[in-house]
Amino acid sequence: EPEVTQTPSHQVTQMGQEVILRCVPISNHLYFYWYRQILGQKVEFLVSFYNNEISEKSEIFDDQFSVERPDGSNFTLKIRSTKLEDSAMYFCASMGLRNYGYTFGSGTRLTVV
Amino acid sequence: QKEVEQNSGPLSVPEGAIASLNCTYSDRGSQSFFWYRQYSGKSPELIMFIYSNGDKEDGRFTAQLNKASQYVSLLIRDSQPSDSATYLCAVKEGAQKLVFGQGTRLTINP
Repeated sequence: EPEVTQTPSHQVTQMGQEVILRCVPISNHLYFYWYRQILGQKVEFLVSFYNNEISEKSEIFDDQFSVERPDGSNFTLKIRSTKLEDSAMYFCASMGLRNYGYTFGSGTRLTVV
Repeated sequence: QKEVEQNSGPLSVPEGAIASLNCTYSDRGSQSFFWYRQYSGKSPELIMFIYSNGDKEDGRFTAQLNKASQYVSLLIRDSQPSDSATYLCAVKEGAQKLVFGQGTRLTINP
């Protein structure tokens, strides 16, 4: 079964550093997303991306965050200057045209120290 | 933002019994509803989606939707220890975004 692949699985970074989280969505999917889940809390929407542009973003997705699809296969989330409160699991997801729900990647656990 | 509410549990069910998980949502205009299963430390995995009022069955799982009561549920028949996980209810808001509930932690006791 097709998978959404995320790397790295775990990233530890110092506060104030930039991190880039990488995702390879399912190849024929057209809609891409980033969500995050702080330990013990809800899965929260960050951003959706379609047709090479952001289609929606949440209040969490401020100027410190950006997304890119640099080469038609990878989909990246960049956090420019990490804060302690950015520590969370970050999930990439993709969806095809049929709109039957997302497929999530295995996640990147980001720890900011 | 629209709200999705679930009882956080834990819900404890004996093996072989029916587990019943419930979810309410605030936006009366919501049209699409999803149940995800999340094992500890893992990503959400789609179990079922439902768009129409009534029941939808897939193997041991049945999703039930009542739009008038703004209520969606998931029944798991013949519960197995491997069903022990957190079950997330999600409601589509707008074209694509999913709003998730807190999740209900389910434990199946052998």
